[in-house]
Amino acid sequence: EAGVTQFPSHSVIEKGQTVTLRCDPISGHDNLYWYRRVMGKEIKFLLHFVKESKQDESGMPNNRFLAERTGGTYSTLKVQPAELEDSGVYFCASSQDAAGVTLRQETQYFGPGTRLLVL
Amino acid sequence: KQEVTQIPAALSVPEGENLVLNCSFTDSAIYNLQWFRQDPGKGLTSLLLIQSSQREQTSGRLNASLDKSSGRSTLYIAASQPGDSATYLCAVRSLDTGRRALTFGSGTRLQVQP
Repeated sequence: EAGVTQFPSHSVIEKGQTVTLRCDPISGHDNLYWYRRVMGKEIKFLLHFVKESKQDESGMPNNRFLAERTGGTYSTLKVQPAELEDSGVYFCASSQDAAGVTLRQETQYFGPGTRLLVL
Repeated sequence: KQEVTQIPAALSVPEGENLVLNCSFTDSAIYNLQWFRQDPGKGLTSLLLIQSSQREQTSGRLNASLDKSSGRSTLYIAASQPGDSATYLCAVRSLDTGRRALTFGSGTRLQVQP
């Protein structure tokens, strides 16, 4: 079974530019999450999709961040315009059905992350 | 607001030792707790998930315990090996209807010396 994949693995952009990160969850996982770790801080939650719907976007820092999950499969996270403080590692995770009763179904599986550097 | 603390921040032990990593959380109203490991430059690998109703979970040389009332979890690693060297992260999912967000600690960086 393929794990969560993220693209690109690294991105270096200049302040003011736009970057789009992509996440492909594990096949069949309805739940998709975005997290990020900025330098020296803990990993923080950004938002949660159930299929194509945003279930919880309480962690989104501001309106420069836009997440989509059209068709309920892969997701994109766009940062526009990027600022210096957006630098960090962006992780995507997925888990199975919301009504899951097993530990395996509730486990969030993380991708390798996208390392974003804004200069 | 849930806060998760991990102590120690770093730990170095000789190969073969048994060790305990600690995680504490401020709000005992949790749904589950998950332990991860992260290797340098890599993503997070899920190790164990404990439901709030459980006291412990075991996987191989790993044993995670949960004391919800005191807001503590420990990860016990038996007979440590150099391959166990990594950062270990604790994350809590709070008991908040509809929310599945994990709150992470800052991690314990473990070095097992051969």
